[in-house]
Amino acid sequence: AQSVTQLGSHVSVSEGALVLLRCNYSSSVPPYLFWYVQYPNQGLQLLLKYTSAATLVKGINGFEAEFKKSETSFHLTKPSAHMSDAAEYFCAVAGGSGNTGKLIFGQGTTLQVKP
Amino acid sequence: KAGVTQTPRYLIKTRGQQVTLSCSPISGHRSVSWYQQTPGQGLQFLFEYFSETQRNKGNFPGRFSGRQFSNSRSEMNVSTLELGDSALYLCASSFFPGADTEAFFGQGTRLTVV
Repeated sequence: AQSVTQLGSHVSVSEGALVLLRCNYSSSVPPYLFWYVQYPNQGLQLLLKYTSAATLVKGINGFEAEFKKSETSFHLTKPSAHMSDAAEYFCAVAGGSGNTGKLIFGQGTTLQVKP
Repeated sequence: KAGVTQTPRYLIKTRGQQVTLSCSPISGHRSVSWYQQTPGQGLQFLFEYFSETQRNKGNFPGRFSGRQFSNSRSEMNVSTLELGDSALYLCASSFFPGADTEAFFGQGTRLTVV
């Protein structure tokens, strides 16, 4: 069965600093992995997804993530944090057998950006 | 083009009542999924529908049900509400169901059970 673990429920960085949000997955099949962002009182917005093409995936708003099979990780990074990046971030893996869009989410990481 | 629309945005219900939430997917999208988001349990999958058929169901009691109409709009129903059903309910739509298909989320319906 697929599962996702996000390390650190809260991460705080200064504006302009590197953002690193950690995600480890467990999957019995080659995984499809996603990062979503959620702003207060909003739904989820897709930042990027890994679907077995390039291991380094570039997303929106300057975010990128690297798929490392040997470490079963899919960490999200951004070179320079902006105040507008403050939000909750979710890592997810496509779950279930067969052709399903079901997503299994991690518990989320709240990113705080300090001026 | 219009995004995923969920109505209502906010809802307050009393224990024991039932509630129906609505989701209109992006035009052309035929797959709809529902998720429950709570502080304690996080985001949990409820159902997935495609062409009016439920393709997948999460681990929720039978009080939670859903359906999809021929125009791809979907509703979910919760009967005999409990305090623990208070949550943000999110709907997501995509062209087709699939592990590599991008899902677009609505803003959610915030349900409070008192």
